Amino acid sequence: DAGVTQSPTHLIKTRGQQVTLRCSPKSGHDTVSWYQQALGQGPQFIFQYYEEEERQRGNFPDRFSGHQFPNYSSELNVNALLLGDSALYLCASSLLAGSTDTQYFGPGTRLTVL
Amino acid sequence: AQSVTQLGSHVSVSEGALVLLRCNYSSSVPPYLFWYVQYPNQGLQLLLKYTSAATLVKGINGFEAEFKKSETSFHLTKPSAHMSDAAEYFCAVSDRAGRRALTFGSGTRLQVQP
Repeated sequence: DAGVTQSPTHLIKTRGQQVTLRCSPKSGHDTVSWYQQALGQGPQFIFQYYEEEERQRGNFPDRFSGHQFPNYSSELNVNALLLGDSALYLCASSLLAGSTDTQYFGPGTRLTVL
Repeated sequence: AQSVTQLGSHVSVSEGALVLLRCNYSSSVPPYLFWYVQYPNQGLQLLLKYTSAATLVKGINGFEAEFKKSETSFHLTKPSAHMSDAAEYFCAVSDRAGRRALTFGSGTRLQVQP
C-alpha cells in the first residue's frame, strides 16, 4: 500500500520566482492538506482540498494557491517567492468520511529560497 | 480557536528511563488529539490519537498518552526510552466539528543518552 508521496524532494529557487510542489495521497484517501514547517517550528496549516475544491484555508497569503485533480493528487503553487518561504512543505492525506480523519503525512519537499 | 502548548522544547533522558513529553491544548469543542514523531529530514509519523473513546491511548513503539479533560492535557509517555526514540515529537489538535485542519505545537526534541 503506497503511502503519501511528494515531489520533488528538494528545490532551490530565487526570490520572485514561482514554484509548484506535487503530492499523491495514500491509496483510498480523498482529501489533501498542505502544511508549511519552518526550521525549528511545528507545521502550520496552509489549506485543504476535497472534491477539487479548497475546503479550508489557514492564515497564508494569496501567493499560496493549490489544486486538486480528479485522481485526488494535488499541487501547491507559491508565487513571488520570499526568503521567508524557505521551509519544509508537507502534504497529508485523509478520508473525509473517516470518523477520526487521521492525516497521514508524506516525506515533504524542502524549499530553499535564495 | 484551537492551540497547543508543548512544555519543554528539549528533553533529555537516559536510555531505559521514563519518557514524559507534555502537551496542553485549548479547544472550544471536544478535540481530537494526536501525537506525531518526526525523524531528521523526514515527514511526520502518527504515534497515537485520541478520539473520545478510552482516555488512555496506546500507540506504536511502546508510547501511550492519557487524555485529561480537567487538566486539558494529553501528555505522552514511554516507560523505558530507547536510543531509537531520539526524534522531534509534535502534539496536535483538530476540531471535531469538521474543520479537520491540524493545529500543532512547537515540538519537543527528545535526546536519549546512552
